[in-house]
Amino acid sequence: DQQVKQNSPSLSVQEGRISILNCDYTNSMFDYFLWYKKYPAEGPTFLISISSIKDKNEDGRFTVFLNKSAKHLSLHIVPSQPGDSAVYFCAASPGTASKLTFGTGTRLQVTL
Amino acid sequence: GAVVSQHPSWVICKSGTSVKIECRSLDFQATTMFWYRQFPKQSLMLMATSNEGSKATYEQGVEKDKFLINHASLTLSTLTVTSAHPEDSSFYICSAPDETGGLGYTFGSGTRLTVV
Repeated sequence: DQQVKQNSPSLSVQEGRISILNCDYTNSMFDYFLWYKKYPAEGPTFLISISSIKDKNEDGRFTVFLNKSAKHLSLHIVPSQPGDSAVYFCAASPGTASKLTFGTGTRLQVTL
Repeated sequence: GAVVSQHPSWVICKSGTSVKIECRSLDFQATTMFWYRQFPKQSLMLMATSNEGSKATYEQGVEKDKFLINHASLTLSTLTVTSAHPEDSSFYICSAPDETGGLGYTFGSGTRLTVV
């Protein structure tokens, strides 16, 4: 039972353009959402988070949007840079300090 | 910021042997540690939650007698893969939540286990 899904396993974007990564969840108890960037054989690197009381959070080139009614969130990266190429995971939690449920991941490739 | 030191970063062992993976919280106390496993090109799957001074809580389908978790102190949690088999070959990662009221999680750098 995959409670957090990322339906696009891969995404290719040109440098300078916007990257949009999507994530859907099914568990209504999730209250807190995070995005991580990950390279093989390394731990995830935190990018940005959002709690359910908000619908948008922005940090530099990264913006996360949350649509609670649709149980959908997205990560926007603009402008995309080659160094952004990695696998991106969304994750959800029912609350602070609770276990995270990870999505299936999207491999982003930013081309020159 | 908070750091979780995970060792070893990679290990190769023979089938039937046991392997211990350590996660230490540096400069902060972790009463809870989450242990994840990631198979190639798949998601990070939670295996268990370790709590200092009490028994770990295992996710459905995870054999607690095979994956022994010990959280004996506020700065150290260990995962021991007992009687390892090739199918246990995976990437294991620990994570400690921010327990100061923040919303973050600190991840270890992961351990690549290969069982031959």
